[in-house]
Amino acid sequence: DGGITQSPKYLFRKEGQNVTLSCEQNLNHDAMYWYRQDPGQGLRLIYYSQIVNDFQKGDIAEGYSVSREKKESFPLTVTSAQKNPTAFYLCASSPMIQQGGNPEAFFGQGTRLTVV
Amino acid sequence: GEDVEQSLFLSVREGDSSVINCTYTDSSSTYLYWYKQEPGAGLQLLTYIFSNMDMKQDQRLTVLLNKKDKHLSLRIADTQTGDSAIYFCAERTGGGNKLTFGTGTQLKVEL
Repeated sequence: DGGITQSPKYLFRKEGQNVTLSCEQNLNHDAMYWYRQDPGQGLRLIYYSQIVNDFQKGDIAEGYSVSREKKESFPLTVTSAQKNPTAFYLCASSPMIQQGGNPEAFFGQGTRLTVV
Repeated sequence: GEDVEQSLFLSVREGDSSVINCTYTDSSSTYLYWYKQEPGAGLQLLTYIFSNMDMKQDQRLTVLLNKKDKHLSLRIADTQTGDSAIYFCAERTGGGNKLTFGTGTQLKVEL
């Protein structure tokens, strides 16, 4: 089955520690995205990538880092510099518009990160 | 820059139509989307519309786009209790691959 998988579903982190959230897709999509969702707020874009080995900052990139070494994978690291990391993190993927592909963007089921 | 806004809450009675509204600021939007989110879950794509279209209908869902006013709406006909969820609109900009979401509208369907 094709899809986008985030792991783990729940993650607990001690203050001061870095933690990495996994996002994998087998849809052959070039574009991948990371969003943060806080209660009562919309989705805010952290980083996105349009091609392997390239990525762009979103609206709230501070305290986060990403890599895109493989087309299928776009891991997000929440660093100790992120002051308020407790949130629901969502990953998405999509074909590139420039390739004339279907513009649909699909989401994983999310990772809930809690700092303890 | 991109900015997408929605009203936070909407309450309707079962069987009525629901209309969820969204405004956006970036005139270079290529596609606009509607997503549904149930508690604790990811986002489910409901439908999308290309920016040169005015309307798109898909079963109970009707999307209207007023590009001049940068206004997007989602109408759900015969709303059911299973439609209770948060609905997000999103625009695709930045050369075509940046996705910006609104704040989400919590739809509550009452019996």
